[in-house]
Amino acid sequence: GEDVEQSLFLSVREGDSSVINCTYTDSSSTYLYWYKQEPGAGLQLLTYIFSNMDMKQDQRLTVLLNKKDKHLSLRIADTQTGDSAIYFCAESNPLTGGFKTIFGAGTRLFVKA
Amino acid sequence: KAGVTQTPRYLIKTRGQQVTLSCSPISGHRSVSWYQQTPGQGLQFLFEYFSETQRNKGNFPGRFSGRQFSNSRSEMNVSTLELGDSALYLCASSNLPQSSGANVLTFGAGSRLTVL
Repeated sequence: GEDVEQSLFLSVREGDSSVINCTYTDSSSTYLYWYKQEPGAGLQLLTYIFSNMDMKQDQRLTVLLNKKDKHLSLRIADTQTGDSAIYFCAESNPLTGGFKTIFGAGTRLFVKA
Repeated sequence: KAGVTQTPRYLIKTRGQQVTLSCSPISGHRSVSWYQQTPGQGLQFLFEYFSETQRNKGNFPGRFSGRQFSNSRSEMNVSTLELGDSALYLCASSNLPQSSGANVLTFGAGSRLTVL
């Protein structure tokens, strides 16, 4: 079945790059997403990548997809204290899973000033 | 435009009671999904509704149910509450179909349920 796994915690210094990793089990996953959750709020979509892409860049965010290893990563350049949040990796496949999106447990990012 | 609105934001119930949570999606969004978020389990998919029909369901017991109304508003109900049902319940709406096929979800702030 579908499963998405992430490490639970990551701590970086302000100004450094953060890399959050995720693995997924469903090789037919078509879309892979990164969401961000700030305290007391719901999740907010950061970016998503289609499975035929290897990389997507959006300002400070870079998403890398290794489809062979079923590994997804999110790199945040020049990490700021405002980036402290929980980051969720997610996957969906409209052909087999309908519009059901499966999320990982989330990686809590701590940014030290 | 207004975001996804969930009510109530906080509630406290006792074991054995039931609870109903409400979600108003973004205007024009016809798909509504519900998730349970707990510290130990992360975000677990409950169910998804589109045009008043449940299309997908997660692995939760029958005590968890939901429905969607003709105006796309959705409710979920949990009967015979257990301590383990304490969680943040998140609703998300989606504007389907997307031209790219991606299921971009817009989340509400959630309803935090505490079961004593």
